[in-house]
Amino acid sequence: GEDVEQSLFLSVREGDSSVINCTYTDSSSTYLYWYKQEPGAGLQLLTYIFSNMDMKQDQRLTVLLNKKDKHLSLRIADTQTGDSAIYFCAEIGAGSYQLTFGKGTKLSVIP
Amino acid sequence: DTGVSQDPRHKITKRGQNVTFRCDPISEHNRLYWYRQTLGQGPEFLTYFQNEAQLEKSRLLSDRFSAERPKGSFSTLEIQRTEQGDSAMYLCASSLDSPLQPQHFGDGTRLSIL
Repeated sequence: GEDVEQSLFLSVREGDSSVINCTYTDSSSTYLYWYKQEPGAGLQLLTYIFSNMDMKQDQRLTVLLNKKDKHLSLRIADTQTGDSAIYFCAEIGAGSYQLTFGKGTKLSVIP
Repeated sequence: DTGVSQDPRHKITKRGQNVTFRCDPISEHNRLYWYRQTLGQGPEFLTYFQNEAQLEKSRLLSDRFSAERPKGSFSTLEIQRTEQGDSAMYLCASSLDSPLQPQHFGDGTRLSIL
């Protein structure tokens, strides 16, 4: 089946930038998503990018997509302690309705 | 209505009991999805409704699981004869009726089987 891979942990200092990386295998992926999950909570949609784009910026968030390498990244500028959470990369293939998620990257922000 | 609502937030039950969860989607969303998330994993797709029609089911959805959306609004997910392996977070999501619209998730129901 299709697969989405992420590194499991990332630790950054408050005020620095965080970069969370993701790779995927589905060449028919149409949309790629970043969700945030805080402890005991559901998933909050952060941003998403269509597969024919290579970059999207939304306030402190920048998404970069390299479709050739099937690589997606999420950059969080000026990382705050409130950004500490698990970040999930997800993709949806052409004609599909189901999201395929990675295992999530736990971001820890050091004050 | 500010988001997807799930009830209960937590459910503890003994093995072998039946449980039912409810999901209320965002009011104008006619697509509704159920996912299951186990510890340390990302969510996995279970099933999907467009209005009241259940259009897709994962092989993860054994015959002990049944989902309904009788009037195309709220949905229920029932698990019969629960097993230890059913312990997980059950997440509901909804979206507008377009392949381009993102899925918005509720806070989930955490199921613990004793």
